[in-house]
Amino acid sequence: GAGVSQSPSNKVTEKGKDVELRCDPISGHTALYWYRQSLGQGLEFLIYFQGNSAPDKSGLPSDRFSAERTGGSVSTLTIQRTQQEDSAVYLCASSLGGGVSYNEQFFGPGTRLTVL
Amino acid sequence: QQQVKQSPQSLIVQKGGISIINCAYENTAFDYFPWYQQFPGKGPALLIAIRPDVSEKKEGRFTISFNKSAKQFSLHIMDSQPGDSATYFCAASARGSRLTFGEGTQLTVNP
Repeated sequence: GAGVSQSPSNKVTEKGKDVELRCDPISGHTALYWYRQSLGQGLEFLIYFQGNSAPDKSGLPSDRFSAERTGGSVSTLTIQRTQQEDSAVYLCASSLGGGVSYNEQFFGPGTRLTVL
Repeated sequence: QQQVKQSPQSLIVQKGGISIINCAYENTAFDYFPWYQQFPGKGPALLIAIRPDVSEKKEGRFTISFNKSAKQFSLHIMDSQPGDSATYFCAASARGSRLTFGEGTQLTVNP
């Protein structure tokens, strides 16, 4: 079956522009996560969805970042008024969810965002 | 409280050698400890994972050792191969929520 897919794979934008990043989770996975990986850095949590609700959005770095999930499936991460420090690889992951421990999170290939 | 500390930052071993990467955590609510392997340009992929009620888990050449009282866990790669050269991340989570990752270890296995 298909894994987690993300689009676009690469995005180059100018400072101040808005961008939208898309994540298609594995079918049947109710939990969806967004992480950010800056160059040479570890993975930083952004937001977690269980179904369409976001019980944990504590990792969003500023109010320029927002995310939504519709129909319990596709999620969009939006960054408004992009800044150069937003340049990173944005990774999406999904799992069976339900608040159960030991559910593997499957990662997509990421979207590499470059803000000029 | 949420941090996971990982060491070393980089590791070079010879083919056939043992690679050992260590992690320590603080949050006693963590109940799931996975290790992820990441190749350049790819997303992380689960390598092996352990629950805190088990002290060791082995899958092929990969073994996790877990010390609950010390709040430490480690990854051992036996008979390391050049194809194992990648970045390895330890992580922890509680009740299926966010993963908290270590800083990563860049492993190079020389032929």
